[in-house]
Order: sequence, then structure tokens, then C-alpha cells
Amino acid sequence: DARVTQTPRDKVTEMGQEVTMRCQPILGHNTVFWYRQTMMQGLELLAYFRNRAPLDDSGMPKDRFSAEMPDATLATLKIQPSEPRDSAVYFCASGAGSGGSYNEQFFGPGTRLTVL
Amino acid sequence: GQSLEQPSEVTAVEGAIVQINCTYQTSGFYGLSWYQQHDGGAPTFLSYNALDGLEETGRFSSFLSRSDSYGYLLLQELQMKDSASYFCAVHGYNFNKFYFGSGTKLNVKP
Repeated sequence: DARVTQTPRDKVTEMGQEVTMRCQPILGHNTVFWYRQTMMQGLELLAYFRNRAPLDDSGMPKDRFSAEMPDATLATLKIQPSEPRDSAVYFCASGAGSGGSYNEQFFGPGTRLTVL
Repeated sequence: GQSLEQPSEVTAVEGAIVQINCTYQTSGFYGLSWYQQHDGGAPTFLSYNALDGLEETGRFSSFLSRSDSYGYLLLQELQMKDSASYFCAVHGYNFNKFYFGSGTKLNVKP
């Protein structure tokens, strides 16, 4: 069955290292969301793409985070350099959205990032 | 800005009915949705309200009152597998903004 996939599922790295997380949205979905979840902040929207174009990334720390969709089957979230406060679960979600109408988001299993 | 409030935790017994409330203060609000998340899992979509009133999907129903800036999720015939966290979320037109509440942890006891 169709589902969102994310890699890696777990990542442990040291402060200062670059981290790249990947997401494959469900085939045919044209919207992609990146979220970060922590106990303290809950679920936060980091970036939002429609038809591969970034529509909103206001929730993302611009100095170290970047999000891209090199093609319709791949979305990436990069942190450079990583810091301990970036430790969280990062979720990717996709949907068959169109402007003005709601379509549910399908979440991937998440990437658990630990920055030491 | 956007602010959503939910109770942090609710406990109920199997077979009972439970209501999880969500109040919001937001500008440019367009719709209210609900997601379920089991421990260690990913959020999954439950329900959506764009208009005032009740939406029913099996054992789950969701309600929205825009005039009261209030919504709720109603779970009937509770089962042990319903033990999870439940999040309400609001979004702006075109989904350029999407905000989740802090979540309500539901504990279902036998």
C-alpha cells in the first residue's frame, strides 16, 4: 500500500556535523510538509511545498536548516551545522492538496535525530 | 498569532465516551482537523471540519463552532487501542500555515 517513507529512521551525530534527512512522498501527492516534534514544543511545521515549490518555510531556522525537493519523488531536509537543540523526531507528510481545499496529510514514520 | 489549547491528559474506561476539547485563538483560520498519534508512531488523520457542526466517522466525531472558537473530538465505545495522543490543528487558506495543539494524552483503562 502507498505510504510515505523516510530515511534514516534513526540518526545519532555529533554537534557540528551535517545531517540530511530524506522523504519519499506518496506517488501522485503534490504537497509535502516537514515537521519537528519535541516534548517541549510539540509538533512544529518547518516547511511546506506544493508542486515542488516552497510555499512556506517561516518555521525553519534559516541559518542552519534548508529544505528542497529536487524532484517529485524526493524531499530533503538538511541541517548544517547540527546542534544538540536540534534533537527531535522529524516527520515528513504528503497530501494530494489543492489551494483552498483540505486533504489529509499522510505522515511518514519519522527520523529520530540525536545530536550529541 | 495562533494559539490552541487542549487538556494535557484524559482518562476513561473501555466502552465509555470521551470528549477532547480544543479552543483556539487564531487569525486567518480556515479549518480544524484532528490527528491521532500512538507512542513512538506517526500522526494519522482522523477528522476535519471546515464548517460549523458535527462530522461523524465511525466511532469518532468532530465538532466545530467558529463563533465560540471551539471544537471537540468525540470518541465513542472506547477501546484499549484508542489510548494515544490526540492533536487538534488549524490551518490557513492554502495551508501556508499549519499549527498543532500540544496534544491530549488519552488513557483508556479496562
